[in-house]
Amino acid sequence: GQQVMQIPQYQHVQEGEDFTTYCNSSTTLSNIQWYKQRPGGHPVFLIQLVKSGEVKKQKRLTFQFGEAKKNSSLHITATQTTDVGTYFCLINTGTASKLTFGTGTRLQVTL
Amino acid sequence: GAVVSQHPSWVICKSGTSVKIECRSLDFQATTMFWYRQFPKQSLMLMATSNEGSKATYEQGVEKDKFLINHASLTLSTLTVTSAHPEDSSFYICSALGVTDTQYFGPGTRLTVL
Repeated sequence: GQQVMQIPQYQHVQEGEDFTTYCNSSTTLSNIQWYKQRPGGHPVFLIQLVKSGEVKKQKRLTFQFGEAKKNSSLHITATQTTDVGTYFCLINTGTASKLTFGTGTRLQVTL
Repeated sequence: GAVVSQHPSWVICKSGTSVKIECRSLDFQATTMFWYRQFPKQSLMLMATSNEGSKATYEQGVEKDKFLINHASLTLSTLTVTSAHPEDSSFYICSALGVTDTQYFGPGTRLTVL
């Protein structure tokens, strides 16, 4: 089936440092969503990207959709301990039955 | 808004018994719900797509006779793990599909089969 790789698998940063996770698909996407899962919690929707080259910001988080609509990135500026968790992308290749989560990037932030 | 509940939040059962997990959309109607399975430190694996009033669509490798899904109303989907075995122990999460294809996730159910 569809493999959706996210890199890195894990990153440990000090508070205040930036963080970026990348989501790469082998096929062109209809849209892509990002979710955050805190330790012991469930995924929470962050954002959806639809247009080629789209960039959206939510406070310290910047989301980008690639020009070819095959990859996406999530960048966090000046991380805080509240950013700890696993960030997943969810790709949509065009139909509801083709939703696939990425492998996830686990972020650890220490003081 | 867009709250999804799951019940129970955790369950321990003996091998060979069946366990039913409920997923409810509390403040919206969901024609489509999804059931996922998540192992520790791994991603969510889609098990099946639950459609109100029709049969569920199962992903490849998921036994439909073992994981029974019923979506009898627009606010409730159930997953029954039949004849559970220790290898079925996992974290099961449901989601309900809202507008613009956003998924709203339940809090999950941790199943332990002894």
